[in-house]
Amino acid sequence: DTGVSQDPRHKITKRGQNVTFRCDPISEHNRLYWYRQTLGQGPEFLTYFQNEAQLEKSRLLSDRFSAERPKGSFSTLEIQRTEQGDSAMYLCASSLTKGAGETQYFGPGTRLLVL
Amino acid sequence: SQQGEEDPQALSIQEGENATMNCSYKTSINNLQWYRQNSGRGLVHLILIRSNEREKHSGRLRVTLDTSKKSSSLLITASRAADTASYFCAPAGGTSYGKLTFGQGTILTVHP
Repeated sequence: DTGVSQDPRHKITKRGQNVTFRCDPISEHNRLYWYRQTLGQGPEFLTYFQNEAQLEKSRLLSDRFSAERPKGSFSTLEIQRTEQGDSAMYLCASSLTKGAGETQYFGPGTRLLVL
Repeated sequence: SQQGEEDPQALSIQEGENATMNCSYKTSINNLQWYRQNSGRGLVHLILIRSNEREKHSGRLRVTLDTSKKSSSLLITASRAADTASYFCAPAGGTSYGKLTFGQGTILTVHP
């Protein structure tokens, strides 16, 4: 399988709990992105990495969200003290930097429901 | 903002008809990408058109780009029920090289 994979695919948690999602990008892709998508909306950018460096983080991302990409390969997104408003689909994408014109390949997403 | 705004919000057609979706944006771009999303799934990249290109084809897809009007269109010819999905445009470039900013998308329904 050469696509982007995400784990878990579904997560149900209670408000106040911490959750962690994992993303495995396409091998040798140096950029990795996290997006969040709520029902009826397009994906919203959260953060991205080039290799292991986190280069941009959305101003909308609260301090409860943290992402890592420790060895420049897989990435994790952690949400602490979850709130019902965190319920959404969390999408990961990866790309290979080509200057102007890189295609982002998306994973299947992790659907989070906070009760 | 580099966010693309798709129009119409929803489109319903019969199988075999053509479907046209439009995208407008506000700032200069290096490229514009179109993605498809089936219900509850991840996004699938359809086509990328660079700012110096005016038209691009891929199978039944035809994308045009008019940088003077800051607009793009996606045409799907001879539509199939399997084309039923949400379609998003994503202008890219400028100061946020990698980040994609999506609009609400166009929901296309193709009736068999």
